[in-house]
Amino acid sequence: GAVVSQHPSWVICKSGTSVKIECRSLDFQATTMFWYRQFPKQSLMLMATSNEGSKATYEQGVEKDKFLINHASLTLSTLTVTSAHPEDSSFYICSASSGLYNEQFFGPGTRLTVL
Amino acid sequence: EDKVVQSPLSLVVHEGDTVTLNCSYEVTNFRSLLWYKQEKKAPTFLFMLTSSGIEKKSGRLSSILDKKELFSILNITATQSGDSAIYLCAVNGGATNKLIFGTGTLLAVQP
Repeated sequence: GAVVSQHPSWVICKSGTSVKIECRSLDFQATTMFWYRQFPKQSLMLMATSNEGSKATYEQGVEKDKFLINHASLTLSTLTVTSAHPEDSSFYICSASSGLYNEQFFGPGTRLTVL
Repeated sequence: EDKVVQSPLSLVVHEGDTVTLNCSYEVTNFRSLLWYKQEKKAPTFLFMLTSSGIEKKSGRLSSILDKKELFSILNITATQSGDSAIYLCAVNGGATNKLIFGTGTLLAVQP
């Protein structure tokens, strides 16, 4: 089956610093990758959709200058949380899809804690 | 506005019981409905449904879609403690290939 990895699996950082999270599709080419955020006891909220080689499409209410997304290759997308604050603490999950209407495969998630 | 609604929000059963989880949706340009199981980490894929009336089955789990009434159910028979999790329903629709998630159903299976 399709495998998606995320790195790191958890990270603790100080307020004001930037954190980069990587999402990789290990055994398929992901034309589209998605970034979600999940707060405790809540469902997944889509943050943005990224297509390889083009700018990401952000959902309403998500600051694109704060959450920088890069999808430089068909197997790698990165999410950078810039100038992180405690309210950015959350579980960040990526998913990858090999085609426009194909199913999404989720990474294991990254737990971010901002002190 | 596209939305996905799951019920119940939470459910407590005993091992061996059968449970039915519900998912209704209002989404433009519907393509598929997916069920996921989430334990401590990211969701794991269970089923993808695209056609009405065709049951998908995997062990003790099964699911079916009704595109006329805009809902799906997920059945779990002979529940076990390992079935305790949040079950998420998501619909692929709208203008782009994005998933719209429901709030999830928290299932707790007690011995």
